Amino acid sequence: AQSVTQPDIHITVSEGASLELRCNYSYGATPYLFWYVQSPGQGLQLLLKYFSGDTLVQGIKGFEAEFKRSQSSFNLRKPSVHWSDAAEYFCAVGKLEAGGSYIPTFGRGTSLIVHP
Amino acid sequence: NAGVMQNPRHLVRRRGQEARLRCSPMKGHSHVYWYRQLPEEGLKFMVYLQKENIIDESGMPKERFSAEFPKEGPSILRIQQVVRGDSAAYFCASSPMAGVNEKLFFGSGTQLSVL
Repeated sequence: AQSVTQPDIHITVSEGASLELRCNYSYGATPYLFWYVQSPGQGLQLLLKYFSGDTLVQGIKGFEAEFKRSQSSFNLRKPSVHWSDAAEYFCAVGKLEAGGSYIPTFGRGTSLIVHP
Repeated sequence: NAGVMQNPRHLVRRRGQEARLRCSPMKGHSHVYWYRQLPEEGLKFMVYLQKENIIDESGMPKERFSAEFPKEGPSILRIQQVVRGDSAAYFCASSPMAGVNEKLFFGSGTQLSVL
C-alpha cells in the first residue's frame, strides 16, 4: 500500500525567506502526487499536482514542487514566503485501487509558521 | 457554483448520543470521500461513495459508523453512541469522476466534540 511521510511537524520561517517542505512517498509504481494547503478552520485546497512529464511542477500562489524518483520525494518550495502562507500543508499520493476506486492517501501535514 | 457544503460546522454531543454529519458535494460531482482529522495525525481516509453505492469503506471503524450517499440529497456520515475518542474534524471531499488524476474539492469540515 502507498504511504506518505512528512517528516517535519512544524516549520518556522521569516517572511521573505525561502521555504522547502519535505514529502517522501512509498509506492511501487509511478505515483500521482499532490500538495494541498489548509488554512485555519477551512478545508483543503489543491496547490499543485504531478502525474508525468516535467518533474518540476508549478502551482498556485508561487509554489512549486519537484518529483525525484531516486529519492522518492516530492518536496514543496517557495522562494519567498509571505505571512499569508502560514497554514497546514499536506502531501498526498493517489493510487488506483484493485477494485477501481481511487483513494488519495495524505501525510500527517506540516504546520508552517511565518515570523514577520 | 457553490463549493462542497458541510453542516453543521460544529456539533456537540454527549457520550452515547448520535451524530449526523452532512455533506453536499459540488454540483455535478458524484463521488464523495469522508476523512477524519485528528491533531497532528493528518487526514485519515474513512469511506468513498458514489451515488447510492459504497465503493470503499476500508477506513471506517467496524462498529457505530455508517455512511450513505442517496440518489437525492446530501451524503451522511452517521456515528452512533458517540464516545470521546470520536471528537475530531470530519472533512468531506467530492470529485466529478473517479480517476487518479482527479483533484478533490474539500468542504470546511465539521468539528465534532463529544462531552
